[in-house]
Amino acid sequence: DAKTTQPNSMESNEEEPVHLPCNHSTISGTDYIHWYRQLPSQGPEYVIHGLTSNVNNRMASLAIAEDRKSSTLILHRATLRDAAVYYCMPKAGRRALTFGSGTRLQVQP
Amino acid sequence: DTGVSQDPRHKITKRGQNVTFRCDPISEHNRLYWYRQTLGQGPEFLTYFQNEAQLEKSRLLSDRFSAERPKGSFSTLEIQRTEQGDSAMYLCASSPWGQPLDHGYTFGSGTRLTVV
Repeated sequence: DAKTTQPNSMESNEEEPVHLPCNHSTISGTDYIHWYRQLPSQGPEYVIHGLTSNVNNRMASLAIAEDRKSSTLILHRATLRDAAVYYCMPKAGRRALTFGSGTRLQVQP
Repeated sequence: DTGVSQDPRHKITKRGQNVTFRCDPISEHNRLYWYRQTLGQGPEFLTYFQNEAQLEKSRLLSDRFSAERPKGSFSTLEIQRTEQGDSAMYLCASSPWGQPLDHGYTFGSGTRLTVV
């Protein structure tokens, strides 16, 4: 499995954009990059995933570096409900997700 | 569809007892996963099924743990002779499977096990 590095914690202000970085320098060429988040006392929640191109959905945007060794999850306007632990994971198609320790995002009102 | 359902939500058991958890995945999802999560840590992979076939098991899944998905629908995770170290949140997830695209997982709310 590719190794990932994420900051332990980040802070943001409400209604401001948040950029959550992830380094995955050993990613394989066919691994998808997945992002999940986990709110307190809940199971993880799928956020977004992509292979090479940048991806957008209703929750967030995923910017993938050209060499695919890093990616950034972008929350366009943080809300208090976005306070969670965010996990980034490269994943080979046939393998299961392998979670690291993630980034704990705090959102200040 | 109401998502991934796990039962029970909480379980308190005495050390040495056997426990069984159930997971009902999203009906059209043919992959089902089990994870374990302890406080302050990310989820740890235990095992996964594609339909009724168990395709991968983690080294964390000791001989006391067994998982089944007999008809490719719901799954059970049994822990025999529970130990205090088994206290954790047990999470189930499901996903579609189909090449060449990868798919996101839908997680349940988990079963919290406390071994006393």
